[in-house]
Amino acid sequence: GDSVTQMEGPVTLSEEAFLTINCTYTATGYPSLFWYVQYPGEGLQLLLKATKADDKGSNKGFEATYRKETTSFHLEKGSVQVSDSAVYFCALSGSFGNEKLTFGTGTRLTIIP
Amino acid sequence: NAGVTQTPKFQVLKTGQSMTLQCAQDMNHEYMSWYRQDPGMGLRLIHYSVGAGITDQGEVPNGYNVSRSTTEDFPLRLLSAAPSQTSVYFCASSPSLGRGGYNEQFFGPGTRLTVL
Repeated sequence: GDSVTQMEGPVTLSEEAFLTINCTYTATGYPSLFWYVQYPGEGLQLLLKATKADDKGSNKGFEATYRKETTSFHLEKGSVQVSDSAVYFCALSGSFGNEKLTFGTGTRLTIIP
Repeated sequence: NAGVTQTPKFQVLKTGQSMTLQCAQDMNHEYMSWYRQDPGMGLRLIHYSVGAGITDQGEVPNGYNVSRSTTEDFPLRLLSAAPSQTSVYFCASSPSLGRGGYNEQFFGPGTRLTVL
C-alpha cells in the first residue's frame, strides 16, 4: 500500500537558517503530494501541494518539488523565522481521484531567536 | 463560513464509557473523514464518508462507529472506551474529486480524549 517516510525530528534551527525536511513516498501510479503544517494547539493546514512530476509547490517562502525519479518531496525554506515553529506533515493522496490521505509521522520544527 | 467545527475540545472518559465526538462543516463538502493523531505515528484514518448515507473504514476502525445522515455532520462514536483510544481526534472535509484530481482537506481544531 501507499506509505510516506519523513525525516525524524525534532529539528531545532536558529532564525534565518536554511531548512530541509526530507520526505519520500511509495505509491502506485501518480499520487498528489502535500505538505501540511500544524501550529501549536491547532488542526492541520495545507501548506503546499504538487499534483504531477516536476511540479513545484510553494507558499510562505516554503518550496517542495515533486521528484518522481527519486520518489521524493522534500520541504525547503531559505530563511526560517520563529513563527515557522510547528509540526510539518508530508502526505500523499491516491492516483485515481481517491480523497484518502496517507500521512508521514510528522517533523517537529523549533526555531530559536 | 465556520469551516470544520469539532466538539468537545477536551474529554476525559473512564474505561467502558461511551461518547460521541461531533464534527460539522458548512462548506457543502461531500468527503469527510476522521483521523487520530498519536505521538510518532502521524495521522491515521479511522473512518471516512464520500457522501450522505455512505461510510467506509479506514486504517484503524476498530472500536469506532460513524454515520452520515446529512452532508454537514459526521459524528464519531466510541461504544466502549479503552485506554488505547487516548488520542487527539481530527475531523476533516474536502470537496468531491474526479479522476486525477487533488484534494485539499480542511481540518477541524481537534478533540483531545483521555481514557482512564
